Amino acid sequence: QSVLTQPPSVSAAPGQRVTISCFGSSSNIGNNYVSWYQQLPGTAPKLLIYENNKRPSGIPDRFSGSKSGTSATLGITGLQTGDEADYYCGTWDSNLSAGPLVFGGGTKLTVL
Amino acid sequence: EVQLVESGGGLIQPGGSLRLSCTASGFTFSSYAMHWVRQTPGKGLEWVSAISGSGFGTYYADSVKGRFTVSRDNSKNTLFLQMNSLRAEDTAVYYCVKNSSGYYIDYWGHGTLVTVSS
Repeated sequence: QSVLTQPPSVSAAPGQRVTISCFGSSSNIGNNYVSWYQQLPGTAPKLLIYENNKRPSGIPDRFSGSKSGTSATLGITGLQTGDEADYYCGTWDSNLSAGPLVFGGGTKLTVL
Repeated sequence: EVQLVESGGGLIQPGGSLRLSCTASGFTFSSYAMHWVRQTPGKGLEWVSAISGSGFGTYYADSVKGRFTVSRDNSKNTLFLQMNSLRAEDTAVYYCVKNSSGYYIDYWGHGTLVTVSS
């Protein structure tokens, strides 16, 4: 059971827009930056969004992030088949029984 | 280009020990905290351990405390995870992960699979 809650799966057609939610609490998302990671099949996770809404160099502006209260959202526009992957949110948690770094359970994106 | 290359995974019997290594390149290794994060199909991503850039600060998840030891050799740009008293539930892909200069992790290794089974 992951500390952060994500929907197990989302799907949309090529060219469409999709959002992935991530729910937490005041001990994690509510008081810390959120990051998002993309894991393509058979590969390691890759940083997609950091500090809620910033993109590392090389990440296209089709990917965006936002945070409000104890939840965060990843948005992907102009969906491409190459976007099919698992997406994870992550943040820090002051509740140390959960470990300082916590993640969502992951959301599998299917581009129909 | 940042590269993190793990090694040392494999099949081990319950109660056994393994030592994972992670060789880093492309950044000033001693300047950054490093983490081990594991991934299983059932439990997703789970933070395991962290170590400060100097190596003086070490941190562990409750699930591995007392059994795992994280260390680093900054002269060799290498991170280690000594895993003792291994259990079936430790079976996972273990990733070496770099902390950024801020409050997020920015690079992941390719991972090494640890399978604990008799």
